[in-house]
Amino acid sequence: DVKVTQSSRYLVKRTGEKVFLECVQDMDHENMFWYRQDPGLGLRLIYFSYDVKMKEKGDIPEGYSVSREKKERFSLILESASTNQTSMYLCASKWGSNTEAFFGQGTRLTVV
Amino acid sequence: AQKITQTQPGMFVQEKEAVTLDCTYDTSDPSYGLFWYKQPSSGEMIFLIYQGSYDQQNATEGRYSLNFQKARKSANLVISASQLGDSAMYFCAMREDSSYKLIFGSGTRLLVRP
Repeated sequence: DVKVTQSSRYLVKRTGEKVFLECVQDMDHENMFWYRQDPGLGLRLIYFSYDVKMKEKGDIPEGYSVSREKKERFSLILESASTNQTSMYLCASKWGSNTEAFFGQGTRLTVV
Repeated sequence: AQKITQTQPGMFVQEKEAVTLDCTYDTSDPSYGLFWYKQPSSGEMIFLIYQGSYDQQNATEGRYSLNFQKARKSANLVISASQLGDSAMYFCAMREDSSYKLIFGSGTRLLVRP
């Protein structure tokens, strides 16, 4: 079974902190994605990566950056957390164009 | 620009009846894929069904079928014989083959009544 693991299920951080959300997949998938999920807005794409060290902005990249130094790991970084970044964050990975994406369990981040 | 629209924030259906969840999309890429996911209250994302833009037949997976109307740019999910366990959020998603971007709609919350 494909496994996508996010490092934390729940996080509480203070405004202005630098926050790292980690995602690891075990199936050698090329593509990895970070989304945030908010009620009524669905899943919005923050950043994605199609190969090691390659990254592209999604629809809402402001306030975020990413790192992909190894194929299995894709990190989302909040440079200076703000309260409007309180959300559920979902990581996903997939291989190829017509296969489904596999999701992690999500990280519920609260910024206070 | 790549876009997915789900216009039904919430829907009810009676147990054992069929229900259609709407999804429209916009893309200029002739080659793309469409996906449906289910998210129960537990939060996990469960893949349901896939349709490629060049597929001639509508995709089916058990009780799920995808009503693909390419000219209208719609990819509606049909759930037949609804069950209580079908109560969940449902998301439509699209990937253009010219990019690696996978985007989702805003979702539809389905509640199945006994």
